[in-house]
Amino acid sequence: EDQVTQSPEALRLQEGESSSLNCSYTVSGLRGLFWYRQDPGKGPEFLFTLYSAGEEKEKERLKATLTKKESFLHITAPKPEDSATYLCAVRGGAGSYQLTFGKGTKLSVIP
Amino acid sequence: KAGVTQTPRYLIKTRGQQVTLSCSPISGHRSVSWYQQTPGQGLQFLFEYFSETQRNKGNFPGRFSGRQFSNSRSEMNVSTLELGDSALYLCASSLAEGASGRYEQYFGPGTRLTVT
Repeated sequence: EDQVTQSPEALRLQEGESSSLNCSYTVSGLRGLFWYRQDPGKGPEFLFTLYSAGEEKEKERLKATLTKKESFLHITAPKPEDSATYLCAVRGGAGSYQLTFGKGTKLSVIP
Repeated sequence: KAGVTQTPRYLIKTRGQQVTLSCSPISGHRSVSWYQQTPGQGLQFLFEYFSETQRNKGNFPGRFSGRQFSNSRSEMNVSTLELGDSALYLCASSLAEGASGRYEQYFGPGTRLTVT
């Protein structure tokens, strides 16, 4: 059974204070690790997909990295508008089209 | 390009009733997945459809069912509603997985179901 654990559950940062969110996973045959951003009352917004260990992707102040056991979402010099819940999900197993999600990290960026 | 749309956005039902939710995928996307999101359990997979066929099903009781139409639009139905069914129901659409193996799901805004 695929499992995803995200830490910390909540993170408060001062504006400009860089940090990282962690996503640890166990999956049989990783076929994609996904990062989403979710604002209150809205659906998750797609950020990145990583497919193999060593892969990195960047978007504005966000950078996602992947190893064989975990992924990190690095946030550089965050702004208040980066406040949201960040969700990590994995897709594993041949013939599987479902994503298994972690519980998320709620990020608050204080001006 | 229009995103995933879901209707209705909000719904209030009484225990024992049934409900049908609708999802229109991004144009050209043929795969539609459904998820239930609650504060306690997070996002949990319900089922996935491609070309009108259910390919994957999550661990939910048979009261939860779905279908997909030839135009890729999808509906999910919950019968005999229980209080615990109150949740945000999310639909996601994807392009067909090609030879690259890449498969990315894009979510709609969700339907907030409240069961009283």
